[in-house]
Amino acid sequence: AQKITQTQPGMFVQEKEAVTLDCTYDTSDQSYGLFWYKQPSSGEMIFLIYQGSYDEQNATEGRYSLNFQKARKSANLVISASQLGDSAMYFCAMREDTGRRALTFGSGTRLQVQP
Amino acid sequence: GAGVSQSPSNKVTEKGKDVELRCDPISGHTALYWYRQSLGQGLEFLIYFQGNSAPDKSGLPSDRFSAERTGGSVSTLTIQRTQQEDSAVYLCASSLGRTSGKGQYFGPGTRLTVT
Repeated sequence: AQKITQTQPGMFVQEKEAVTLDCTYDTSDQSYGLFWYKQPSSGEMIFLIYQGSYDEQNATEGRYSLNFQKARKSANLVISASQLGDSAMYFCAMREDTGRRALTFGSGTRLQVQP
Repeated sequence: GAGVSQSPSNKVTEKGKDVELRCDPISGHTALYWYRQSLGQGLEFLIYFQGNSAPDKSGLPSDRFSAERTGGSVSTLTIQRTQQEDSAVYLCASSLGRTSGKGQYFGPGTRLTVT
């Protein structure tokens, strides 16, 4: 069974600094996708970034990058130049491409950006 | 274009009553998912629809839960004889396909409170 672990329930970062949110996963599948979502206090889940298991390059989307280390089964999210609007819950998720097609989510990390 | 929409945004119901939650996915998205987000359980997969295929109901917690998708578009999640443990935010998501690298796009959710 697949599992996502986020070991940081809460993180603080100063505005304009970079922050890394940790995510490790467990799967026996060779083909899978890894996702990060942001959930602000409004409750909406916002898709941030995707990494495929066969992608050789780390994914980047603007200020977001995914540090993918396949052998270690980690998919950490790096947010550069943090902004106050980045304060939110962040969820790491995985989708196995050969089994259940739904996302399995980690427990989330609450990020607070301080001015 | 329009995102995923859900209605109602909030629903308060008495224990034992039936409720219907509606999801209108992004136009053209063939995959539709229902998830539940509660304090104790985090984000859980409930059910998945892909085109005209039989739905994957493996995440439904009991036979009181059912869902349908009409015409490959709008979906309704029905909870019969609601219980207090059904209180949660019910999230709907859609995607272009089951292995879309662009992730699943979520609606704003329906907050269900069973009294």
